[in-house]
Amino acid sequence: EIVLTQSPATLSSSPGERATLSCGASQSVNRRYLAWYQQKPGLAPRLLIYDASSRATGIPDRFSGSGSGTDFTLTISRLEPEDFAVYYCQQYADSYPSFGQGTKLEI
Amino acid sequence: QVQLVQSGAEVKKPGSSVKVSCKASGGTFSRYAFSWVRQAPGQGLEWMGGIIPFFGTTNYAQRFQGRVTITVDESTSTAYMELSGLRSEDTAVYYCTRDYGDYGNPYFQHWGQGTLVTVSS
Repeated sequence: EIVLTQSPATLSSSPGERATLSCGASQSVNRRYLAWYQQKPGLAPRLLIYDASSRATGIPDRFSGSGSGTDFTLTISRLEPEDFAVYYCQQYADSYPSFGQGTKLEI
Repeated sequence: QVQLVQSGAEVKKPGSSVKVSCKASGGTFSRYAFSWVRQAPGQGLEWMGGIIPFFGTTNYAQRFQGRVTITVDESTSTAYMELSGLRSEDTAVYYCTRDYGDYGNPYFQHWGQGTLVTVSS
């Protein structure tokens, strides 16, 4: 099973700033099978990025994903007030999908 | 437009079982694969297992093997997750998801609204 470690656990930032969230894998994530989700309190997660860098339908272009192998990044270029939430990465390269523990993006 | 509607909240005794349903609409049900993901209070997301109705196959996370059963009823476009031997640590919100990507290598674009299962004596 691939273990994902996200950093930092909490990121404090302000609207208009750039945010960079990291996701490290215990072994190589083949075919860049990595996704990112945003979750707000009381709601189901929302898919942002799949295949490491492809934006899901309706996701603003201020969200971008990059990386390969064991190191992946989610970048939010200019934070909007609605972007403050918890972010999870997820790998689907092996038979047992797994999630990172999450990064809380707070004001 | 794919929509997943789950059954309502449940309160269960330790040692009992719970069965959560997830009714899908939009698209061709038999071509979908589904997974179940849970989230304990204040915690992260945990994949429990999935089903590919087209192939009649299931795949379960090792920590839930023997306790979880995922099924579908194609006649009603409904997926089910049954968890047995409930303990307090199983208190969580349970989400159904429709799988995207390759069969057996899913990411999750569509999610149900979640079902809170509380295990308490």
